[in-house]
Amino acid sequence: GAVVSQHPSRVICKSGTSVKIECRSLDFQATTMFWYRQFPKQSLMLMATSNEGSKATYEQGVEKDKFLINHASLTLSTLTVTSAHPEDSSFYICSARRDGAYNEQFFGPGTRLTVL
Amino acid sequence: QKEVEQNSGPLSVPEGAIASLNCTYSDRGSQSFFWYRQYSGKSPELIMSIYSNGDKEDGRFTAQLNKASQYVSLLIRDSQPSDSATYLCAAGSYQLTFGKGTKLSVIP
Repeated sequence: GAVVSQHPSRVICKSGTSVKIECRSLDFQATTMFWYRQFPKQSLMLMATSNEGSKATYEQGVEKDKFLINHASLTLSTLTVTSAHPEDSSFYICSARRDGAYNEQFFGPGTRLTVL
Repeated sequence: QKEVEQNSGPLSVPEGAIASLNCTYSDRGSQSFFWYRQYSGKSPELIMSIYSNGDKEDGRFTAQLNKASQYVSLLIRDSQPSDSATYLCAAGSYQLTFGKGTKLSVIP
């Protein structure tokens, strides 16, 4: 149990285009999901907290108009990188917090974004 | 500012030895503590969770929690080359704070 999928696993796009990444909890409900970014050889950086049915909460320094988050159901959150630029190239990872008392977070396999 | 501190390593241990990974956290309100393993180029994988003081064992892994000292540790017995990875400590409640990770190398 506790499987999180992420799609696509890898995307290459041209500068200025928008990219949508989906995160799904496959076998549990997740009212809350989190979006992280990780640059090579660096630690996880939390970008935003996504709550089902409400607006996402963004960390300081993360542009909410550039990184659009939608959490439309208890099993799906999406991150859209709008007007992507080469500096947005990174490894984007979602995690889903399993509803219940234990605060466990399960990570998706990640999406490697390359913006040319 | 909630912080989780880990020694970045690398920590090198010979195959078959015990690897000991440590972490301290700043938020006394933390209720949940986790260890994740992250292989290079992959996402983190949850390997241990602990919620109360003491030890918790799962196979070759033992997590230890001391809330008074705000200290969490992970012991890996009979270390294998496949255990070579970065280990992330996380602490929190609703939201987790992650450490920067300790890189472990198990030498054959």
